[in-house]
Amino acid sequence: LAKTTQPISMDSYEGQEVNITCSHNNIATNDYITWYQQFPSQGPRFIIQGYKTKVTNEVASLFIPADRKSSTLSLPRVSLSDTAVYYCLVGVFNAGNNRKLIWGLGTSLAVNP
Amino acid sequence: DVKVTQSSRYLVKRTGEKVFLECVQDMDHENMFWYRQDPGLGLRLIYFSYDVKMKEKGDIPEGYSVSREKKERFSLILESASTNQTSMYLCASSPHGTSASYEQYFGPGTRLTVT
Repeated sequence: LAKTTQPISMDSYEGQEVNITCSHNNIATNDYITWYQQFPSQGPRFIIQGYKTKVTNEVASLFIPADRKSSTLSLPRVSLSDTAVYYCLVGVFNAGNNRKLIWGLGTSLAVNP
Repeated sequence: DVKVTQSSRYLVKRTGEKVFLECVQDMDHENMFWYRQDPGLGLRLIYFSYDVKMKEKGDIPEGYSVSREKKERFSLILESASTNQTSMYLCASSPHGTSASYEQYFGPGTRLTVT
């Protein structure tokens, strides 16, 4: 059964680097790994997307090992405003060989002063 | 900036009522999605559409239907609302293409309460 697994919650302090890992054992060969951020009472917001190795943008970095069975979202020097829920999203092939999007259940990150 | 708007932020309906949730996007995106979000269950896909008048069932389509008569508008219909459909409903859109499908732009959500 295809699924993604990520920690339910994490705690950090301002200025620290935070790494959130998502396991996705059945990811489809040619599909992407995407991460979102969600604040209370808002829809999720796209953060970063990658296929392999490392991707970096102004907000975060995404590390993907060669086997692509996991990915790690890295938030450098977090601030209080980074307190949010973070979701990973991957594509897998189901039993009928159709592509299906699988969302993780989210990691609730609390950044403390 | 991509903008996805939903017709209501909060909605209260009675059991058995027919409920319409409207979603409009202004970026000419081919794909549109309807999700519901419940505590502990994350985001669950109800329906998606990859073109006008085209629709595909997601993971939990039972009790819902959708309509896409125009590219920018995707409606979710609860034929006969029930209390177990009380939830946060999120609409999203994305451009066409494999990688782009994952870069979804979400609306603010509609919190629906069925009493």
